[in-house]
Amino acid sequence: NAGVTQTPKFRVLKTGQSMTLLCAQDMNHEYMYWYRQDPGMGLRLIHYSVGEGTTAKGEVPDGYNVSRLKKQNFLLGLESAAPSQTSVYFCASRAAGDSYEQYFGPGTRLTVT
Amino acid sequence: AQSVTQLDSHVSVSEGTPVLLRCNYSSSYSPSLFWYVQHPNKGLQLLLKYTSAATLVKGINGFEAEFKKSETSFHLTKPSAHMSDAAEYFCVVRSWSGRRALTFGSGTRLQVQP
Repeated sequence: NAGVTQTPKFRVLKTGQSMTLLCAQDMNHEYMYWYRQDPGMGLRLIHYSVGEGTTAKGEVPDGYNVSRLKKQNFLLGLESAAPSQTSVYFCASRAAGDSYEQYFGPGTRLTVT
Repeated sequence: AQSVTQLDSHVSVSEGTPVLLRCNYSSSYSPSLFWYVQHPNKGLQLLLKYTSAATLVKGINGFEAEFKKSETSFHLTKPSAHMSDAAEYFCVVRSWSGRRALTFGSGTRLQVQP
């Protein structure tokens, strides 16, 4: 049982390039989330999904797109990377119900030059 | 809207002394509150959670937190710090919006001196 995994772990992009971050979970969780973490700001929600085939915007969605074609996977895309998107990205998942406990992946460190 | 404020961005303690990390919350409804820990270059791990049962919540690694509604606080404590406790700690509140997500505080970095 791997929990939540993220690929890649590190990436350096040039401004204007595109990339996709992959999150996978093997816990059969309904809900999945993408956060970004910046110094002194905690984690901020980018996009989330409440089930396969559904996505919705979080606090800071601009410049990102997501897809949830399979229940176990949640993809985060950057179509045209900007230096302001330099951050650490975390994926999380949780089961349906009232627990609200989220399980986090190890993170992807992205640098945009 | 729900929010949390972590009152200290950095806390430094000596090994073997008590730890106190302070958190105040704001919530329109009965809150669900969490503390997560993040060790350097690692993901986040749940330490403990409060979901309207006992007001004193015990977590992993000897940590506990007390929910005080009158003070809107959820401070994290540990009687005796260990070097391995050095990490960043996040106070988190459940969002009651359609996002069904969590709202994070800005974090407190705990240093433990030998």
